[in-house]
Amino acid sequence: EAGVAQSPRYKIIEKRQSVAFWCNPISGHATLYWYQQILGQGPKLLIQFQNNGVVDDSQLPKDRFSAERLKGVDSTLKIQPAKLEDSAVYLCASSLTYGYTFGSGTRLTVV
Amino acid sequence: GQQLNQSPQSMFIQEGEDVSMNCTSSSIFNTWLWYKQEPGEGPVLLIALYKAGELTSNGRLTAQFGITRKDSFLNISASIPSDVGIYFCAGLGYGGATNKLIFGTGTLLAVQP
Repeated sequence: EAGVAQSPRYKIIEKRQSVAFWCNPISGHATLYWYQQILGQGPKLLIQFQNNGVVDDSQLPKDRFSAERLKGVDSTLKIQPAKLEDSAVYLCASSLTYGYTFGSGTRLTVV
Repeated sequence: GQQLNQSPQSMFIQEGEDVSMNCTSSSIFNTWLWYKQEPGEGPVLLIALYKAGELTSNGRLTAQFGITRKDSFLNISASIPSDVGIYFCAGLGYGGATNKLIFGTGTLLAVQP
């Protein structure tokens, strides 16, 4: 079975610029998650989708972060405008039941 | 956001040694998971625990779901160089219509051949 695909792998932007990340989950996985992992810390949930509906976005900084999951498959996470503290790895995961499968992540550096 | 406390933060051991790490929480979880993360990759699931007191093995790895449901332990026996990585515990709690995976702070393991 193909894994969770994410792109790009790396992105360097200047503060106040915008950036978007893309995720393609495992086929058939209804639940999709975006996590933020700051260096030296464990992943922190940003948003959770069930099919194409948001079920938890309580930790998403909505003034600058947005996410969508069109047609209940692919998802994009956007940051606009980026701040220095947004430098992190952004991980996408999908699940059928309890087994979360993570992608390799996108490493964002904001300078 | 909430994070689970893991200890130790890091371990530097010789090949062949056994390793123990644990994870504690102020909240009860219904499922405990242990992940390993290598540089440049996402976390990979090692072991899942579904019941208080449960002891589960996966090769050289053994994990236990604490009786209080607020802690979990991971042991690695006879460590080898490829065990190097960051180990995360994660608790799965149920809140309303959603389940939420909360990660620990991680334990960095270095194994010297």
